[in-house]
Amino acid sequence: GDSVTQMEGPVTLSEEAFLTINCTYTATGYPSLFWYVQYPGEGLQLLLKATKADDKGSNKGFEATYRKETTSFHLEKGSVQVSDSAVYFCALRDTGNQFYFGTGTSLTVIP
Amino acid sequence: GAVVSQHPSRVICKSGTSVKIECRSLDFQATTMFWYRQFPKKSLMLMATSNEGSKATYEQGVEKDKFLINHASLTLSTLTVTSAHPEDSSFYICSAQGGGSSRFNEQFFGPGTRLTVL
Repeated sequence: GDSVTQMEGPVTLSEEAFLTINCTYTATGYPSLFWYVQYPGEGLQLLLKATKADDKGSNKGFEATYRKETTSFHLEKGSVQVSDSAVYFCALRDTGNQFYFGTGTSLTVIP
Repeated sequence: GAVVSQHPSRVICKSGTSVKIECRSLDFQATTMFWYRQFPKKSLMLMATSNEGSKATYEQGVEKDKFLINHASLTLSTLTVTSAHPEDSSFYICSAQGGGSSRFNEQFFGPGTRLTVL
């Protein structure tokens, strides 16, 4: 079945460091790919998405590129801030509209 | 646009009581609503999918008599945890999706409800 695997955390970075959170997927067909962010005590917020191969999603300095050849959708940000501290979930939506989430990666950015 | 609300945001109840959680789409009509459960430091687990006016479809392993889902209108779905027990304590998140070719034809997530059963 479809699934998402993302790197386990927690990840701790200093402010202005470069961030990469790896995400790979297994799917039949052509899924859409998402990154969601969850701040402490809150629900999920869509961070960015890509709906087809080679698409790049971007928002708030974060970006991820849909790589079909490597079945990956790695999240990157060039310079993280303390306010980026949160849990990040990679997810795919299959052609039947079912979502599959990764286990989440906790990010802590220290000043 | 695409705002989904949940009420209450937090609830504490005694073991054996029932708790109702509401999920509303505030600015669009949601033909489909989804209920997820999130365990501490774990991912989201889809519990059930509901379409307006019809019975919910539950995922394997989810007790439909314990987690009652009603999707009575295009903007409201409710999840009732019946005879709650401490192991039902969790973070429950709903999502709502509009239909057809509208820009709301994807899942938009609510802020979640923290349930604590004493």
